[in-house]
Amino acid sequence: SYDLTQPPSVSVSPGQTASITCSGDKLGEKYAYWYQQKPGQSPVVVIYKDIKRPSGIPERFSGSNSGNTATLTISGTQAMDEADYYCQAWDRSTGVVFGGGTRLTVL
Amino acid sequence: QITLKESGPTLVKPTQTLTLTCTFSGFSLTSTAVGVGWIRQPPGMPLEWLALIFWNDDKRYSPSLKSRLTITKDTSKNQVVLTMTSMGPVDTATYYCSHYDYGGNSGFDFWGQGTLVTVSS
Repeated sequence: SYDLTQPPSVSVSPGQTASITCSGDKLGEKYAYWYQQKPGQSPVVVIYKDIKRPSGIPERFSGSNSGNTATLTISGTQAMDEADYYCQAWDRSTGVVFGGGTRLTVL
Repeated sequence: QITLKESGPTLVKPTQTLTLTCTFSGFSLTSTAVGVGWIRQPPGMPLEWLALIFWNDDKRYSPSLKSRLTITKDTSKNQVVLTMTSMGPVDTATYYCSHYDYGGNSGFDFWGQGTLVTVSS
């Protein structure tokens, strides 16, 4: 099976840059997706196809994907960005795969 | 405007079969490169993908749960149904359905509000 690994938690000060990584075998050869989930809410896609931002997602959210690692970067992090973030990819044999999630704390 | 809503029992007993319905609007499952997926999340735990059905009736299942899952669609009703057999306490979770943009590779771009299913006798 295919696995995606994320750090359980990341902390960042307001206004600083947060980076959340997602690791998987040859992940750079697949599309990576990132979802934001706030407590009690459904997930929202914030990055698709590695680098694309859906309409309505602030420009401070960006993504990259190369080698075995995809990265979600939040520039100028705001308190409202505090949430759980999940990466996701599609594997030909496994299907949809989600990472274990990263809790972003803005302190 | 795409919307999805999950419905089904909030409480099931161990060993029973769970049947959940996703009723959607704003798109058709007859449209090329569209899919609907089911994802669950136990309390305090990460997201777990369960199943995905495509416009062409292609179906994919989580390898670890494949033997227990069946996903079907009713295009006339704009519904997708998920059944999961042999329910146990570990299956207690919020179950989400989501629109999957296969053609545009936008991922799970629209989600339902989720429905909490508790497995208990």
